[in-house]
Amino acid sequence: DAKTTQPPSMDCAEGRAANLPCNHSTISGNEYVYWYRQIHSQGPQYIIHGLKNNETNEMASLIITEDRKSSTLILPHATLRDTAVYYCIVRVASGNTGKLIFGQGTTLQVKP
Amino acid sequence: EAGVAQSPRYKIIEKRQSVAFWCNPISGHATLYWYQQILGQGPKLLIQFQNNGVVDDSQLPKDRFSAERLKGVDSTLKIQPAKLEDSAVYLCASSFRWGGGKEMNTEAFFGQGTRLTVV
Repeated sequence: DAKTTQPPSMDCAEGRAANLPCNHSTISGNEYVYWYRQIHSQGPQYIIHGLKNNETNEMASLIITEDRKSSTLILPHATLRDTAVYYCIVRVASGNTGKLIFGQGTTLQVKP
Repeated sequence: EAGVAQSPRYKIIEKRQSVAFWCNPISGHATLYWYQQILGQGPKLLIQFQNNGVVDDSQLPKDRFSAERLKGVDSTLKIQPAKLEDSAVYLCASSFRWGGGKEMNTEAFFGQGTRLTVV
């Protein structure tokens, strides 16, 4: 199973862009990169996913390197409500279905 | 749209007792997951259902944990007997379908979880 490596913690100033890196050097060609976040005492929340092209939605942007060995989640204007644990996940295929395997994630602290 | 419902929210039991958690997924979602999240760690997948069939239960401690999904809708997760190390948040998630092709991209929605404390 492809594994991901993330820094355990990061700080970001409110209103600035938060750039969260993820390394997934063993990713295979048909595996997607997913990002979820978990705010304290809540279940994880889907943010964005991608295969090889950069993706953007109302929450964030996902930049995947050309060799697909790493990616960066960008929160363009971080707010205090973005303080959470962010998980970078490579979606593993299990038979005809996929499963989400969570790592330790990055704890993002947005500071005023 | 209603989200994934779980109950109870909190449960405190003594070791060696039994406990059951209930999950009602989003209507129409064929795939259901149970995760265990110990404090300070990421969620660990215990079991995954596709409709009422088990897709993956490789991380489920089958000597004490069991799960079922009757009629492919609601699901229950049971622990019997509980140990101190079972203290954790148990999360249920569902997705429309999680399979090959286009459906692979379907996101999973999580419930609030059940916080279990074993004393």
